[in-house]
Amino acid sequence: EDQVTQSPEALRLQEGESSSLNCSYTVSGLRGLFWYRQDPGKGPEFLFTLYSAGEEKEKERLKATLTKKESFLHITAPKPEDSATYLCAVQERSNTGKLIFGQGTTLQVKP
Amino acid sequence: DTAVSQTPKYLVTQMGNDKSIKCEQNLGHDTMYWYKQDSKKFLKIMFSYNNKELIINETVPNRFSPKSPDKAHLNLHINSLELGDSAVYFCASSQEGGLRPLHFGNGTRLTVT
Repeated sequence: EDQVTQSPEALRLQEGESSSLNCSYTVSGLRGLFWYRQDPGKGPEFLFTLYSAGEEKEKERLKATLTKKESFLHITAPKPEDSATYLCAVQERSNTGKLIFGQGTTLQVKP
Repeated sequence: DTAVSQTPKYLVTQMGNDKSIKCEQNLGHDTMYWYKQDSKKFLKIMFSYNNKELIINETVPNRFSPKSPDKAHLNLHINSLELGDSAVYFCASSQEGGLRPLHFGNGTRLTVT
């Protein structure tokens, strides 16, 4: 069964303290892996798509990487405005567009 | 100018009632989805429509019925509401072709009492 597991469930950082979020997945055939950010009371907001192992994408203080079994979201020198829940999702090869989401990591960055 | 809009934002109702949630997207996307997010923030797909045709129908009670009058709209009707239906329901849309990011609405928080 296709599965996505994120860790840790919650992470508290001081402003400027870099860290990484993990997304482990098992899927019969990976078409792509997505990272989303979700703020309280809002819908998930798209951050990155990764297609193949070894690929990296960057946006401001965020960098996403992908291996054959997991993805990392690295946060460099985070700011309080980076506080949110970060969701990882995989799309398998059936091409229906269906995404399988992890349970998310809730990040709190303290000033 | 909201891309994916859902109404209502909050819905409080009693067990046994029937309710609908509406969704509209102005992005010109071909595919629309309904996702359910439980109290642990776990998002799970319920339905997907492509150009008004149902393409994903996960294991969802048949009390839930999606309706797509046109490719810009996907509504969700729920009959005989149960306590366990309480959750946040998200509508989303994407371009056809797979590996296209989903654009989500801001959700409808349904509370069944």
